[in-house]
Amino acid sequence: EVQLVESGGALVQPGRSVRLSCETSGFMFEDSVMHWFRRPPGKGLEWVALIRSKSYGGTRVTEYAASVKGRFIISRDDSKNVAYLQMNFLRADDTAVYYCAWYASGRYFYFDYWGQGTLVTVSS
Amino acid sequence: EIVMTQSPATLSVSPGETATLSCRASQSITSDLAWYQQKPGQAPRLLIYAASTRATGVPARFSGSGSGTDFSLTINSLQSEDVAVYYCQQYHNWPPITFGQGTRLEIK
Repeated sequence: EVQLVESGGALVQPGRSVRLSCETSGFMFEDSVMHWFRRPPGKGLEWVALIRSKSYGGTRVTEYAASVKGRFIISRDDSKNVAYLQMNFLRADDTAVYYCAWYASGRYFYFDYWGQGTLVTVSS
Repeated sequence: EIVMTQSPATLSVSPGETATLSCRASQSITSDLAWYQQKPGQAPRLLIYAASTRATGVPARFSGSGSGTDFSLTINSLQSEDVAVYYCQQYHNWPPITFGQGTRLEIK
């Protein structure tokens, strides 16, 4: 059974940092591209970042939405089947429920499996 | 970046009737489109991929159509449990993966 469980959400002050984790099981994590998404309160879904697998031969291992580029860092630990999202220089508009998700097709980025989400609130 | 535009923003339909939601891409995405349902406090649920293929376990009341730039999600025999926000998502050209802004479906 595929499972994704996010954790690490918190209430943080603007300008501070927080790290989210996405613990996974039930699929070949090391061969998978992992994604983070978010849904701000009252707004729609937004893709945040992706990290390719170690077998990717190109130079662009990670990709980011323009709104988070330079502030967020996505990473992975294949030995633990965990993906991370390090969120730095947080702003009020980063307030959202953050989700990780996985695509069972193995090729196309539509997402069959989602975690339950973790809430990050940026406020002083 | 491919911009996805959904309409209407809110749709109110009577139980048992049919709801039709629209999604338009700013450029052709062939059939690389997915639809999701998100209920309050829950994660998104994949309904449709490849524009018209139902995901595992999705009732036949849900159907998708379209290709190129114009797509639709049709929900027949609307039930109270269908109240949710529905999103379209393109996976044709990324990054970024992009979503429509969502259509909120209400029951009259």
